[in-house]
Amino acid sequence: NAGVTQTPKFQVLKTGQSMTLQCAQDMNHNSMYWYRQDPGMGLRLIYYSASEGTTDKGEVPNGYNVSRLNKREFSLRLESAAPSQTSVYFCASSVIVGYQETQYFGPGTRLLVL
Amino acid sequence: GNSVTQMEGPVTLSEEAFLTINCTYTATGYPSLFWYVQYPGEGLQLLLKATKADDKGSNKGFEATYRKETTSFHLEKGSVQVSDSAVYFCALRGRGGADGLTFGKGTHLIIQP
Repeated sequence: NAGVTQTPKFQVLKTGQSMTLQCAQDMNHNSMYWYRQDPGMGLRLIYYSASEGTTDKGEVPNGYNVSRLNKREFSLRLESAAPSQTSVYFCASSVIVGYQETQYFGPGTRLLVL
Repeated sequence: GNSVTQMEGPVTLSEEAFLTINCTYTATGYPSLFWYVQYPGEGLQLLLKATKADDKGSNKGFEATYRKETTSFHLEKGSVQVSDSAVYFCALRGRGGADGLTFGKGTHLIIQP
C-alpha cells in the first residue's frame, strides 16, 4: 500500500502559467481533499470530493479547479497561477465508519509562483 | 462556523520535560477531535483522535482528553524526546458530510537534548 501519493513534489511556475497537481490513493477511500498550508495559517481546505463524481468548494476555492477522475484520483488545477498561490499543497483521503473518520495525507507538493 | 485555537509556538523544552499544548475549539454539535503531527519535510500523520466527550485518545506516549465542558483537547506527554520535535496540529471535524477538517495554526515543538 502506497497510501496517498502526490506528484510533483516541487514545482516552480511563472505568473499566468497553468499546471495540474496529481493525487492518487490506493486505500479504496470514498472521500478526497485538497488543502493548502501557509506559514502561520495551518491547513485550509480548497476543495473536497465526498465520492466519485462529486466535488464541492472548501474554504479557499478561488483560483482552483478540481477533477475527481475516478475513485483513486483527485487532481487540482491552477489555470493561471498567481504569487498568492505559492504554498504547500496536501492531498488527503478518508473513510468514514459510523461516526469515526480518519484522514490520511500525502507528502505534499511545494509550489513556488514567481 | 467551526474554528480551532491552539497555543502559539515555538515551544522549546528540554528532553524528558512534561509537555502540554493547549487546544480549544468552537463548533456546533459534537465534533470529532484530532491531533496531527508533521515532521520536517513530511506530510501530516494522525497522532490521536477522540470522537465523543470524555474520550481519551493516546498514541506514542501522547494523550488528549475530549472535554466538552471546556471545549478543549489539550495534548500532553509525560517525558518528551528529541525525536518529538515537529509541528503539531489540532483539528476538528463536524458531524455530517465529508467537508474536511478544520485545523489550528500549528505549534512548533523543539526538544533540546
